[in-house]
Amino acid sequence: DAKTTQPPSMDCAEGRAANLPCNHSTISGNEYVYWYRQIHSQGPQYIIHGLKNNETNEMASLIITEDRKSSTLILPHATLRDTAVYYCIVIHGRGDDKIIFGKGTRLHILP
Amino acid sequence: DSGVTQTPKHLITATGQRVTLRCSPRSGDLSVYWYQQSLDQGLQFLIQYYNGEERAKGNILERFSAQQFPDLHSELNLSSLELGDSALYFCASSVVGRRDGQFFGPGTRLTVL
Repeated sequence: DAKTTQPPSMDCAEGRAANLPCNHSTISGNEYVYWYRQIHSQGPQYIIHGLKNNETNEMASLIITEDRKSSTLILPHATLRDTAVYYCIVIHGRGDDKIIFGKGTRLHILP
Repeated sequence: DSGVTQTPKHLITATGQRVTLRCSPRSGDLSVYWYQQSLDQGLQFLIQYYNGEERAKGNILERFSAQQFPDLHSELNLSSLELGDSALYFCASSVVGRRDGQFFGPGTRLTVL
């Protein structure tokens, strides 16, 4: 699996959009970008995934650049409950591969 | 609630002992994964089972073993426990062939004294 690079931490004001960047410059054509988050010691939670098109669901939006070398997870209206570690992961297209977690981005939502 | 259950929630034991952690996947999920999260190592993949068969292995110690039963629940056995085995152990499940991610249980916190 390709490696990803994320900033170690970010702050965002409550009610604003949180934009979390991820670099995955060595991604290959059949690899998907997945985002998970972990709220303090709870089990990681799947957020969203995409291949090359932008994706949106009830939790977030995922913007993938045209060259697929980077992506941004957007939480449109961040709340205090969004404080968590966010992991950007690249996974082979089979969909059932093990997850190799990096260090992620620790997002602090400020009141 | 992810639909994945893990028991027990907490486990405190002594060095040299053996423990069993249990996981019940979401209904219909054939694939089960085990992960370990310690303070210094982060989240690490241990092992995956699919429909009773081992499918992938990660950084799992020889003192650790796992199995998946016909009813699809899984157990992770940890033996000859050491202080360094203290960690959160998560189980996850997924539907093979679909790409909607893995669903994680709440974890078992193991403390080895």
